[in-house]
Amino acid sequence: NAGVTQTPKFRILKIGQSMTLQCTQDMNHNYMYWYRQDPGMGLKLIYYSVGAGITDKGEVPNGYNVSRSTTEDFPLRLELAAPSQTSVYFCASRAQEAGKNSPLHFGNGTRLTVT
Amino acid sequence: KNEVEQSPQNLTAQEGEFITINCSYSVGISALHWLQQHPGGGIVSLFMLSSGKKKHGRLIATINIQEKHSSLHITASHPRDSAVYICAVRWRGGATNKLIFGTGTLLAVQP
Repeated sequence: NAGVTQTPKFRILKIGQSMTLQCTQDMNHNYMYWYRQDPGMGLKLIYYSVGAGITDKGEVPNGYNVSRSTTEDFPLRLELAAPSQTSVYFCASRAQEAGKNSPLHFGNGTRLTVT
Repeated sequence: KNEVEQSPQNLTAQEGEFITINCSYSVGISALHWLQQHPGGGIVSLFMLSSGKKKHGRLIATINIQEKHSSLHITASHPRDSAVYICAVRWRGGATNKLIFGTGTLLAVQP
């Protein structure tokens, strides 16, 4: 299993440009997440999904959109990039286990710079 | 005040030393995660626990629910243990998908 795969690893955007961060997992996990990690801060949840066709906002959703058309894929869209979106982005997934917590599996991250 | 506090923020140790990283939280939780983030950036889940103690190799994680405190111990530390260690809690009664993350402890183990 490849686990959680994120692309690209690095990207530089100009203000106002748009891009999609790709995330795919091959573990048949229902739950998928997008986090951002800023220096000196804990990871913050942007959006999450509990299954194909279902998404919901996290703590910091403004400026982002997501879709979940398949179980495997959970892309994150930035429509009008702003310097405040300079960050490292992590995609994660976990299995759905009734009444139990399950461990998170993370991608390797995407380092995005908006100038 | 953050809901999840880690200490110390930075830790330098000599190879072979016993290391303890602490995590305190202020909310009722259903589970606590310890994560490891290497300099390359990838994040790996080390432990998930809701009570007691877990051990994997040289790593031991403990949690005291009454005191709202968890510790991560590394025995016989090695330079390859150098990483950021992150504590995260899943708070009880909230959205099942909400994790609150600490800011991490940067560990450097010198040979």
